[in-house]
Amino acid sequence: QSALTQPASVSGSPGQSITISCTGTSSDVGSYNLVSWYQQHPGKAPKLMIYEVSKRPSGVSNRFSGSKSGNTASLTISGLQAEDEADYYCCSYAGSSTFEVFGGGTKLTVL
Amino acid sequence: QVQLQESGPGLVKPSQTLSLTCTVSGGSISSGSYYWSWIRQPAGKGLEWIGRIYTSGSTNYNPSLKSRVTISVDTSKNQFSLKLSSVTAADTAVYYCAREGELVVVDYWGQGTLVTVSS
Repeated sequence: QSALTQPASVSGSPGQSITISCTGTSSDVGSYNLVSWYQQHPGKAPKLMIYEVSKRPSGVSNRFSGSKSGNTASLTISGLQAEDEADYYCCSYAGSSTFEVFGGGTKLTVL
Repeated sequence: QVQLQESGPGLVKPSQTLSLTCTVSGGSISSGSYYWSWIRQPAGKGLEWIGRIYTSGSTNYNPSLKSRVTISVDTSKNQFSLKLSSVTAADTAVYYCAREGELVVVDYWGQGTLVTVSS
């Protein structure tokens, strides 16, 4: 069982927006603005999409945005495109004993 | 452009030690303030953070694996390594080496290497 809880799957049509949630606890997501999101296509290594809750690395589309409220972080993808179909993982810092925890992943299907 | 490449046996027998090496190119492993990490992913499952070594040589490990994990660095070869002892079938996974520029900010990943634990 993963430390952070994500929905197993979400779906949306091209052009629509979707949001993926990532629920942790007051020991991880709730305590630190150190949440990252990764996109993983089948057979490929993950790719950093969002870091420090809402920052985008250079080269990542501004269709991807992140936010946090309490113990839950969220990734929103607007203007869905076929290429966005992938697995998405959240990751949070969890303090100096546990360090880092991942969510179980969410499969995004673009209908 | 930093590149990472995992290498090591693809098959390990139960109870033995899994050993992997990550070779870093495009930059010195000892320059800058980076964490050099190992992350794994069983087939069809999610990512699991194993641990990391800082540029200074200090290490952090996943508490659930801590008793079996050792991460080390060889700056002369621009490599860092993972050793996981007493492996079982549950340790079968794709193992990724990666660079963390900041905490939980994994900006560079290796391509991953499949390690199967089987007799």
